[in-house]
Amino acid sequence: GAVVSQHPSWVICKSGTSVKIECRSLDFQATTMFWYRQFPKQSLMLMATSNEGSKATYEQGVEKDKFLINHASLTLSTLTVTSAHPEDSSFYICSAHPFRQGSGYNEQFFGPGTRLTVL
Amino acid sequence: GENVEQHPSTLSVQEGDSAVIKCTYSDSASNYFPWYKQELGKRPQLIIDIRSNVGEKKDQRIAVTLNKTAKHFSLHITETQPEDSAVYFCAASTGKAAGNKLTFGGGTRVLVKP
Repeated sequence: GAVVSQHPSWVICKSGTSVKIECRSLDFQATTMFWYRQFPKQSLMLMATSNEGSKATYEQGVEKDKFLINHASLTLSTLTVTSAHPEDSSFYICSAHPFRQGSGYNEQFFGPGTRLTVL
Repeated sequence: GENVEQHPSTLSVQEGDSAVIKCTYSDSASNYFPWYKQELGKRPQLIIDIRSNVGEKKDQRIAVTLNKTAKHFSLHITETQPEDSAVYFCAASTGKAAGNKLTFGGGTRVLVKP
């Protein structure tokens, strides 16, 4: 259980184009999903928190108009990188926080990541 | 916000020896501390976690200790094997109050030499 998928697993695009990445929780409902970016040999940096049915919360320094996040259902969140540039090339990973009754359950389950290369 | 520091950044051990990775956190309200193992190009995998009401937790060759007073927690891997080679990340969360966000440490690249 607790499987998270991402699509595509890798994408190469031209500078100036937009790329959409999907994150799905396959066997559980996720009220909250998180989007991270990871540059080579670096840690995971949280970009934004995606809540089902409401606007995403972006971390400081992350442009919300460039990284569009939509969380339309309890099992799907999408990240669209608009007008991508070479400096946006990175490994993008999502995670999902299961919806469970009660408080104190913190675990996140990670997707396999999407490697974006912008030429 | 929360800040998590992780040391060392690289760790080379001989097979069979123990490996210890240490993390400190800044927010005393943090109550959840997971450890992730990430192999090259793959997703982080949760290997063990600890909550603030527990001081130590063990799962076979892996153990985690938590010192809330000092705000630090450590990962211990005993009898290391080559397949333990990976990057390990610690993280901290204040739970629901912060939307269940995780703040990650910088990572430790562990190399187990046969």
